[in-house]
Amino acid sequence: GAVVSQHPSRVICKSGTSVKIECRSLDFQATTMFWYRQFPKQSLMLMATSNEGSKATYEQGVEKDKFLINHASLTLSTLTVTSAHPEDSSFYICSAREPRTGTEAFFGQGTRLTVV
Amino acid sequence: GQNIDQPTEMTATEGAIVQINCTYQTSGFNGLFWYQQHAGEAPTFLSYNVLDGLEEKGRFSSFLSRSKGYSYLLLKELQMKDSASYLCAAMDSNYQLIWGAGTKLIIKP
Repeated sequence: GAVVSQHPSRVICKSGTSVKIECRSLDFQATTMFWYRQFPKQSLMLMATSNEGSKATYEQGVEKDKFLINHASLTLSTLTVTSAHPEDSSFYICSAREPRTGTEAFFGQGTRLTVV
Repeated sequence: GQNIDQPTEMTATEGAIVQINCTYQTSGFNGLFWYQQHAGEAPTFLSYNVLDGLEEKGRFSSFLSRSKGYSYLLLKELQMKDSASYLCAAMDSNYQLIWGAGTKLIIKP
């Protein structure tokens, strides 16, 4: 199946700093990528849909100025958590829909963010 | 509104069979996905159903009934490594995945 690589897998940052998470599709071009957040023992929550070359579409309740998404190429989307606070500590996961099939969503490995 | 229901937790014995059910209500429908998620890891794709019926893939099978808004994941010959959460997700008319909360499957020796 298609491969999506997410980096870093773990990051610890100080409160008030910013953290950038990268999501790359390695063997296909992804015009659309998705960013999820998952708190312990809870389901995936879609944060935003990232579209190559245009602005991301954010879900209700997600602050677009805090969670900056950039999808500058067909193989890379980035999520920057700005001015991070301890409540932003979570598991962030990206996924991409492989365009040939158009149906399966492939996930990155996830990023465990801890804000101290 | 859109909704996915699946049991919170199930327990089964190694070597046995377990069926995890999922019911869904979505605005339009473009298929039903099952994912496996081990603790601390991202989900991995297991199956996709868009037509009624049973899809078999090794020890795992997935069933869909569109008229009933119902799917199940069947796991045979359970192994300890199958202990994980199993997520049901339905794709709506906008091709967006609507996620269930996941079913935590506990396998006992």
